[in-house]
Amino acid sequence: SYVLAQPPSVSVAPGQTATIICGGTNIGDHSVHWSQQKPGQAPVLVVYDDSDRPSGIPERFSGSNSGNTATLTISRVEAGDEADYYCQVWDRPSDHVVFGGGTKLTVL
Amino acid sequence: EVQLVQSGGGLIQPGGSLRLSCTASGFMYNIYEMNWVRQAPGKGLEWISYISSSGNSISYADSVRGRFTISRDNAKNSLYLQMNSLRVADTAVYYCARFGKLNWYFDLWGRGTLVTVSS
Repeated sequence: SYVLAQPPSVSVAPGQTATIICGGTNIGDHSVHWSQQKPGQAPVLVVYDDSDRPSGIPERFSGSNSGNTATLTISRVEAGDEADYYCQVWDRPSDHVVFGGGTKLTVL
Repeated sequence: EVQLVQSGGGLIQPGGSLRLSCTASGFMYNIYEMNWVRQAPGKGLEWISYISSSGNSISYADSVRGRFTISRDNAKNSLYLQMNSLRVADTAVYYCARFGKLNWYFDLWGRGTLVTVSS
């Protein structure tokens, strides 16, 4: 089955740029989606189809996807961005959703 | 308001059964594909089941296939998860989640309901 790998944690100072990667074999052939989850809350979609943002998501959130790596970039990080971030794809051969293990973003 | 309201859940003994419900409001439920996703305490998200808008296409994660059954009633704007032969490892917060119209991303989530399997 298809596997997505994320680093367990990323730390960044306020105002800096956070980069969260999601690795998978030929992930560039998939559409990658990113969700943000704060403690005790349901996840919220922040990027879909590699690089599109849902209504209401700040432009500071952006995404890219190529080769074996997809990336979520958060510019001008704020304290309120501290959360777990999950990448996700639809694996067509198995008709399954696949999540990455999640990355905890800490704002220093 | 566009939302998914969940009910069911609670404490159940190993081997027991439980049914979760998810009721949609504020949107045309019958055209959307739906899913169940769970999250064990302190762990990441785990997708467990999908159902097409008509209910004709269904898939399950290996961890629940043969024990859990997803279904929907479009007349009642509702999604269900029948969970049988529950195990301690099934302890988690269970979320219902809607797929977006154009691709397989989760654009709307319920608030989640806790299922605790323990003797």
